[in-house]
Amino acid sequence: EVQLVESGGGLIQPGGSLRLSCAVSGFSVSSNYVSWVRQAPGKGLEWVSVIYKDGTTYYADSVKGRFTISRDISNNTVSLEMNILRAEDTALYYCAREVGISGNFDFWGQGTLVSVSS
Amino acid sequence: QMTQSPSSLSASVGDTVTITCRAGQSIGTYLAWYQQKPGKAPKLLIYDASSLQSGVPSRFSGRGSGTDFTLTISGLQPEDFATYYCHQSQSTHTFGQGTKLEIK
Repeated sequence: EVQLVESGGGLIQPGGSLRLSCAVSGFSVSSNYVSWVRQAPGKGLEWVSVIYKDGTTYYADSVKGRFTISRDISNNTVSLEMNILRAEDTALYYCAREVGISGNFDFWGQGTLVSVSS
Repeated sequence: QMTQSPSSLSASVGDTVTITCRAGQSIGTYLAWYQQKPGKAPKLLIYDASSLQSGVPSRFSGRGSGTDFTLTISGLQPEDFATYYCHQSQSTHTFGQGTKLEIK
């Protein structure tokens, strides 16, 4: 059974840092694409970042230079290091498996909430 | 840029509804549709514009290619009242603004 479980969210002051983790079971992060998608309270979905099976990474312009996606193959986890956090980064952060050819997200975690506020 | 319409829709059980998504440039068939219920993660319904995800009821259907796409739900069931998003993956990823489907 495929499962993705996010953790690491919380309340953080503007300018601070936070590291989110996505624990994966049912597939290997070394042979799949994993993305982070966020949803601000009461708003729509926004793609944040992806790590491909070959380790290549991409970011949305809104987080480029501040966020870093990485993976730990031995623990089958994907992380999102978030620096210089802003109020507009407040959202529920989901990790999701991205189907390589089609690019859609077929499995999602339950999300972890990040609140950036002083 | 993905433009989804309408932003909200009221319908009754048994109705047939259609949601539209328009891309700013051609995306081929790199288009998916998701359903999201309050407090839950999105659920993939349709991928490659018209392919039904495993386990999704056949009352959901998708059509289109290039820039214009539709999601049709035929014979609405009570569990279908939710928010729906389109998603293009031809160039990184962009989601539509969402359509909230409410009970009339």
